[in-house]
Amino acid sequence: LAKTTQPISMDSYEGQEVNITCSHNNIATNDYITWYQQFPSQGPRFIIQGYKTKVTNEVASLFIPADRKSSTLSLPRVSLSDTAVYYCLVGDIGSGYSTLTFGKGTMLLVSP
Amino acid sequence: DADVTQTPRNRITKTGKRIMLECSQTKGHDRMYWYRQDPGLGLQLIYYSFDVKDINKGEISDGYSVSRQAQAKFSLSLESAIPNQTALYFCATSKGTGMGNEQFFGPGTRLTVL
Repeated sequence: LAKTTQPISMDSYEGQEVNITCSHNNIATNDYITWYQQFPSQGPRFIIQGYKTKVTNEVASLFIPADRKSSTLSLPRVSLSDTAVYYCLVGDIGSGYSTLTFGKGTMLLVSP
Repeated sequence: DADVTQTPRNRITKTGKRIMLECSQTKGHDRMYWYRQDPGLGLQLIYYSFDVKDINKGEISDGYSVSRQAQAKFSLSLESAIPNQTALYFCATSKGTGMGNEQFFGPGTRLTVL
């Protein structure tokens, strides 16, 4: 399973755009890139998923360069309620991986 | 997600006791997962099941066992609980794997082993 590296924490202010980058240098051809959001004492919640180029949904965008060795989650105009931990996952459990881990994630703190 | 429920939500037990955590889902998904989360850390996969006849070990299966009683039910057991199994446990489901098959998580069970 491709190992991921994310910043431990990030700070932002309301209304700003936040970009969280995840490094995954040994991503495999069949691997997808998925981001989850987790609030304290709650289960993670899916944000966005992609394979290459750019993916956008109603809450975020995901930018993936051609070499796929990194990805960037972009949250437009964050609010206080976006304060959470964000996890980057790379892989596909359907491919037989038995070590699907969320890592430590990035703690995003949004201030007024 | 209200479609994935876990019982109990909180449990305090003693070392050596047998504990069962239960997970039920109404999403109709074939695939179910058990994770544990230690304070300040990410989630680690314990076991996963692709259907009622399929059980697979995850990264940290030692000390745990599971039972897939039906498509909708997936139970996690600690045969003889120990203090380092104190953690937050999450059940999750997914329709499949690959692109577009996100995991849906339950609210979690907070387990304390004294």
